[in-house]
Amino acid sequence: DSGVTQTPKHLITATGQRVTLRCSPRSGDLSVYWYQQSLDQGLQFLIQYYNGEERAKGNILERFSAQQFPDLHSELNLSSLELGDSALYFCASSVAAEETQYFGPGTRLLVL
Amino acid sequence: GQQLNQSPQSMFIQEGEDVSMNCTSSSIFNTWLWYKQDPGEGPVLLIALYKAGELTSNGRLTAQFGITRKDSFLNISASIPSDVGIYFCAGPNSNSGYALNFGKGTSLLVTP
Repeated sequence: DSGVTQTPKHLITATGQRVTLRCSPRSGDLSVYWYQQSLDQGLQFLIQYYNGEERAKGNILERFSAQQFPDLHSELNLSSLELGDSALYFCASSVAAEETQYFGPGTRLLVL
Repeated sequence: GQQLNQSPQSMFIQEGEDVSMNCTSSSIFNTWLWYKQDPGEGPVLLIALYKAGELTSNGRLTAQFGITRKDSFLNISASIPSDVGIYFCAGPNSNSGYALNFGKGTSLLVTP
């Protein structure tokens, strides 16, 4: 158990819908990263937050957004969902940006 | 981004055999990480390497940080069935909040 929690574990929704994925980092970790894992693209970085502030962006679509709250948990919002958004979404946390990242169990999203 | 190339793509071995896999990059990394992912789970950190030439062990696993800082190797000795999974190398991108660039993974199957 990495100490990073993610909910829900599974999510099934329809195209055009909006969903919110939640992540609680390890106790004491200030940095949260979101990654998407699909069969064809592998593990891809989406976005990073550090102590409530957006720090870096990767291959994140404009339909996706995230935030980190004062209690340091983070949410990833996916809107206008398309079939191709079906993937595993992972959250990872670290004490500081340059420190080792620990991954949560992921949320498996299926868009029908 | 910085590309990481892992090889082999997959391995099918017998229990008790030793395994070797490697990861190369077109760019220099200051840290190399090796993760293992079981089906439907998040990546679990196996070994972290922080210095060129460093050789680090974790039980039956040994990893090395290449002298050129553009490659890393992971060896598993005396493999057992629970070693089955996908092994990923990763390196933090300091230009992107230290988000991880991942290789495509090496899929390991171990037969009893």
